Amino acid sequence: EAGVVQSPRYKIIEKKQPVAFWCNPISGHNTLYWYRQNLGQGPELLIRYENEEAVDDSQLPKDRFSAERLKGVDSTLKIQPAELGDSAVYLCASSIFPRGVVGVPEKSTDTQYFGPGTRLTVL
Amino acid sequence: LAKTTQPISMDSYEGQEVNITCSHNNIATNDYITWYQQFPSQGPRFIIQGYKTKVTNEVASLFIPADRKSSTLSLPRVSLSDTAVYYCLVGDMDQAGTALIFGKGTTLSVSS
Repeated sequence: EAGVVQSPRYKIIEKKQPVAFWCNPISGHNTLYWYRQNLGQGPELLIRYENEEAVDDSQLPKDRFSAERLKGVDSTLKIQPAELGDSAVYLCASSIFPRGVVGVPEKSTDTQYFGPGTRLTVL
Repeated sequence: LAKTTQPISMDSYEGQEVNITCSHNNIATNDYITWYQQFPSQGPRFIIQGYKTKVTNEVASLFIPADRKSSTLSLPRVSLSDTAVYYCLVGDMDQAGTALIFGKGTTLSVSS
């Protein structure tokens, strides 16, 4: 089974330029997450989707960040314009949650499967 | 959401057993515990998950005492390749999107 796919793996841009990251989750996973991970820190959630609906985007800096998951499958995260402080690794993860989804047990857990991430460097 | 506390770093030698303890004093009845492992330049990888007592898989064991206020990830006979960051998360079985706070994790360094 293919894992979570992310592209590109690396991206170098100058500040004020736009950038976009793409994620294809594991087939059948209804929940998709975008995280940002700064050096030496754990991943921090930016946005969580259940199918095509963004159910938690409270940590997404909405002035410059946007995300979409139009058909409830793959997703794109965009930054426009990028700032120096946006340099980080952007991780995508997927899982099967919540309960009520066919094939998911009554009590579910958010076991997430992560992609390799995109390392963004803003110069 | 229950907050977790882990040691920032641990050192070990090859062949030793490593135990990493995570404190989650405010864990709720519906909360479960998940551990992830992260190697450099990779995303976190699920290791083990449990609710109470002991869980064992091919990679690790997870010990959870009766009060569930802490949990211990046990890695038997570590090798150099076990050098990684280990994260302990707590989440609610009845609420999606709760096991998402990673913290800084525990950096395990294994030497020969």
